[in-house]
Amino acid sequence: GENVEQHPSTLSVQEGDSAVIKCTYSDSASNYFPWYKQELGKRPQLIIDIRSNVGEKKDQRIAVTLNKTAKHFSLHITETQPEDSAVYFCAATSGGGADGLTFGKGTHLIIQP
Amino acid sequence: KAGVTQTPRYLIKTRGQQVTLSCSPISGHRSVSWYQQTPGQGLQFLFEYFSETQRNKGNFPGRFSGRQFSNSRSEMNVSTLELGDSALYLCASSGGTGSYNEQFFGPGTRLTVL
Repeated sequence: GENVEQHPSTLSVQEGDSAVIKCTYSDSASNYFPWYKQELGKRPQLIIDIRSNVGEKKDQRIAVTLNKTAKHFSLHITETQPEDSAVYFCAATSGGGADGLTFGKGTHLIIQP
Repeated sequence: KAGVTQTPRYLIKTRGQQVTLSCSPISGHRSVSWYQQTPGQGLQFLFEYFSETQRNKGNFPGRFSGRQFSNSRSEMNVSTLELGDSALYLCASSGGTGSYNEQFFGPGTRLTVL
């Protein structure tokens, strides 16, 4: 089955700086890669996703890149703000709703004022 | 549209008991997936239901089961509870009719097994 590795487990950056979280996946059949943000005590919320036919996607301060050859995808957050502090999860699936999402272990992002 | 709802939000059980958790998806969503979240193992896929049929199952023992009703509401059941079953159980709904379906999570049910 699919295996998703996520790094780093904890990331501390100064407010205003950029943050990058990296994930690798093992199943070459995976074709959908969402990122979720989970604040303490709250549900995971989808913040951005990318399909395998696209190399990059941006939404304001957030961007995701995908390298299918290397089986690697990354989340980039620019101009970080205190409200970006949360745990971020990457995930992968081989498509359709049936297969379920395989999640990385999560990255605790801390924004230092 | 109302979001995904789960009941109950908190539950305390003792070892050996069984428990049933409920999930109501976003209106119009026909797919419901269940996940277990623990500090050690993270988020792990339990199973997925679409139109009352289980389409896929994760790597969990048979004590974990589920079902889906004709209105797309879903329940999961855990029998013979073990201490290690203490976790946050999340359900997620999606349109489920094609590929690349965004999954929207409910608030979760926090299960504590004593």
